[in-house]
Amino acid sequence: EIVLTQSPATLSLSPGERATLSCRASQSVTNYLAWYQQKPGQAPRLLIYEASNRATGIPARFSGSGSGTDFTLTISSLEPEDFAVYYCQQRSDWPQTFGPGTKVDIK
Amino acid sequence: EVQLVQSGAEVKKPGESLKISCEASGYSFPNYFIGWVRQMPGRGLEWMGIIYPGDSDTRYSPSFQGQVTISADTSINTAYLQWSSLKPSDSAMYFCANALESWGQGTLVTVSS
Repeated sequence: EIVLTQSPATLSLSPGERATLSCRASQSVTNYLAWYQQKPGQAPRLLIYEASNRATGIPARFSGSGSGTDFTLTISSLEPEDFAVYYCQQRSDWPQTFGPGTKVDIK
Repeated sequence: EVQLVQSGAEVKKPGESLKISCEASGYSFPNYFIGWVRQMPGRGLEWMGIIYPGDSDTRYSPSFQGQVTISADTSINTAYLQWSSLKPSDSAMYFCANALESWGQGTLVTVSS
C-alpha cells in the first residue's frame, strides 16, 4: 500500500498570503496525484487531478506541481473561504490512499 | 447534473446489521466505478472499496476486506455498503464517491450500546 505523508500538519496564515502544502509518496505514483479540500461538515471537493490539472470550477489561485514521489499544492493568495483541510490522494495503485491532511487555519 | 444522494443517519447497537445506500443520477451508472470512503471522527479519509456496477467487479482495501460488503443495483442506480455485525469502531461518516468525482453528502453511522 502506498503511504502518503503531508507537511506541515497545520499551516497558520493570513488572508492574502501564499500557502505551500507538500505531499510525499512512499513510492512513485508518476503523476496520479490529486488534491482535495474539505470543510467541516462537507464532503471533500476535488481541486487538482493528475498532479497539476485544475478540476472544473476551481479558481486559478490553486495550482499543483510535482511528479514521482514529491508534490506541492500552492494557493497563491488565500481567500477567507480557503481555510480548510487539504488532502492529497494517490490514484496510481489500489487501494487509492489519502494523506493525513494539512489544516490551513487563520493566523 | 451528476448527483449522489445517500441514505440518512443511523444509530445502531453493537452486533446489529446495517445497509446504507447511495442513489446515483445524471450519468450512466453501470459504466463508472462507485465506492465508499470512511472518515472517523476528527480523522482523515480512507477508501474502503469500489464496485464497477456494470459487472459487479468489486475491490476492497485490505483494511476493510471481510469487514464490509459493497454491492450495487443497476435497476435503481444505487450502491450499497453493508455490515453484518457492527462494532463501536464502525462509528464514522461514510461518503460514497464515483469515478466522475461526485461525492454524496455523507451518512453518519453511530454504533453504541
